Amino acid sequence: DADVTQTPRNRITKTGKRIMLECSQTKGHDRMYWYRQDPGLGLRLIYYSFDVKDINKGEISDGYSVSRQAQAKFSLSLESAIPNQTALYFCATSDLGTSGSIDTQYFGPGTRLTVL
Amino acid sequence: DQQVKQNSPSLSVQEGRISILNCDYTNSMFDYFLWYKKYPAEGPTFLISISSIKDKNEDGRFTVFLNKSAKHLSLHIVPSQPGDSAVYFCAAKGGTFGNEKLTFGTGTRLTIIP
Repeated sequence: DADVTQTPRNRITKTGKRIMLECSQTKGHDRMYWYRQDPGLGLRLIYYSFDVKDINKGEISDGYSVSRQAQAKFSLSLESAIPNQTALYFCATSDLGTSGSIDTQYFGPGTRLTVL
Repeated sequence: DQQVKQNSPSLSVQEGRISILNCDYTNSMFDYFLWYKKYPAEGPTFLISISSIKDKNEDGRFTVFLNKSAKHLSLHIVPSQPGDSAVYFCAAKGGTFGNEKLTFGTGTRLTIIP
């Protein structure tokens, strides 16, 4: 069974609609992340959470919101989707990484979102 | 401002030869560097890493070299195999204590030619 799952895997929606992408993990990790991947731009961090009560903005948080419902669940919402939010979205998890140690992240399979 | 750059969007290499993927960075405070591999329709998977206090780390066919003075790292794959065809992302770890994050490059698509 996959350690990090994302639902849905594919979604087509219209401009102005509210969309929620969900992420669940069974790795027992405290840290969870949401990234988007665009051609030629690599992976960019949207939001991250280091524990259930901690939410932080990444480099491209405008137009997005998140909810950390439990240690294992981290949802990303697009309140009013627009076409330039069409992208591949990835959830990731990691252990608590302290300065001077690796903070290896484990990624879900991705959600391909198309906003028409 | 792109702190981690992969200037080659694509690379083609003959099977059995060496593949060399390059990555440049601008922030001298990064303390770890990682390489991730991504197949189509899958999430990136961790491949290999190197601490900023090292200049080489080897794991089987994969070796990462770090040149801190040039702010450059490279991933060597030898010998290259068809299953190595994927997109490779370079990433760097940095940030204030307790708030470390990864910054990713734009990726290089490696194609191994049989």
